[in-house]
Amino acid sequence: QKEVEQNSGPLSVPEGAIASLNCTYSDRGSQSFFWYRQYSGKSPELIMFIYSNGDKEDGRFTAQLNKASQYVSLLIRDSQPSDSATYLCAVTGGGGADGLTFGKGTHLIIQP
Amino acid sequence: GAVVSQHPSWVICKSGTSVKIECRSLDFQATTMFWYRQFPKQSLMLMATSNEGSKATYEQGVEKDKFLINHASLTLSTLTVTSAHPEDSSFYICSARWGGPLTQYFGPGTRLTVL
Repeated sequence: QKEVEQNSGPLSVPEGAIASLNCTYSDRGSQSFFWYRQYSGKSPELIMFIYSNGDKEDGRFTAQLNKASQYVSLLIRDSQPSDSATYLCAVTGGGGADGLTFGKGTHLIIQP
Repeated sequence: GAVVSQHPSWVICKSGTSVKIECRSLDFQATTMFWYRQFPKQSLMLMATSNEGSKATYEQGVEKDKFLINHASLTLSTLTVTSAHPEDSSFYICSARWGGPLTQYFGPGTRLTVL
């Protein structure tokens, strides 16, 4: 059974600093990796996805994937109070036919 | 961007009654829709995958006779929680996928409370 592990936090980061969120997954067959942000009482919203080993940057966000270590991370630069939320790591298998397997999420708090 | 709606956004019902939740893709045709459930302070758990015109595929541990899924068209899937009990109280979220296989668009969720 696929498992996705995240530190539940809370992770507290000063405003303007870099927030680093980590995730490990159990299924070596996983091929696509996603980071979602979820505010309390709301559904998740996609921040980034990554398929290949290495880094992928989009604005203030950088996703990093290391398939050999089964490790995915998300860096948030210049953290803002509005970034305070729960960040969910999710994986899916090949072809995207499967639904997503989510981690429990990391609660991020950006301190003004 | 792609929009997925859910109705109702919240519902309160008595134990033993059935509740239907609708998931619609508003501006695209969804070949596949997914239903997730999220308990407080827990992650989203995939319940089932449905493809238009065929039977849904349920995840292990999800009772297919209790959670009835109907994906009658490319823009509508429904989840019916039959004989609901307090332990079914949860946040139910659908998502829809089209074209590119690796991105799902989530609905806003339905908060179900069973008294």
